Amino acid sequence: NAGVTQTPKFQVLKTGQSMTLQCAQDMNHEYMSWYRQDPGMGLRLIHYSVGAGITDQGEVPNGYNVSRSTTEDFPLRLLSAAPSQTSVYFCASSHGGLYNEQFFGPGTRLTVL
Amino acid sequence: AQSVTQPDIHITVSEGASLELRCNYSYGATPYLFWYVQSPGQGLQLLLKYFSGDTLVQGIKGFEAEFKRSQSSFNLRKPSVHWSDAAEYFCAVGPNSGGGADGLTFGKGTHLIIQP
Repeated sequence: NAGVTQTPKFQVLKTGQSMTLQCAQDMNHEYMSWYRQDPGMGLRLIHYSVGAGITDQGEVPNGYNVSRSTTEDFPLRLLSAAPSQTSVYFCASSHGGLYNEQFFGPGTRLTVL
Repeated sequence: AQSVTQPDIHITVSEGASLELRCNYSYGATPYLFWYVQSPGQGLQLLLKYFSGDTLVQGIKGFEAEFKRSQSSFNLRKPSVHWSDAAEYFCAVGPNSGGGADGLTFGKGTHLIIQP
């Protein structure tokens, strides 16, 4: 099993550009989440999904969209990138609930100029 | 809303010495508590978790943690650290509910440095 995969590993955007961060898991987990990690801030939940077709907002959802058309994929879209979105983004998945063990991807380091 | 405090931003320990990383939480009921570890350039990995029952929980890599309700603490311990334990450690808390309302709240992390 590949576990949780994320692409790209690194990305540089200009303010106002849009892009999609990809996340896929091959463990058949129902729950998937997106977090951002900023220096000295720990991880903060952006959006999560409890199954295909169902998504909900986390702590810091503004500026991000998600969709969950399949169990395996959970892409994160930045509609109009801003410098405040410079961060490291982690995707995670879990089986049986958000409070069971979450398996994290390796992260995407995004810089917005 | 729940919150998590990790008072120590950095901790330096000699290899072979014991370790204790502190975690305090604020929550109205009994929370779900977690410790995750992040090695450089990697995602997070679960070390251990507490949901209920025995307040001393054992995890992977020789780590343990003790839930103390009276002190609102969930400190992580290891009797003898190895150089490979150098990493960032995160404490996290979740609502004690059946649903997935708000996800986990993470502390800001403690950076562990191992001296030879």
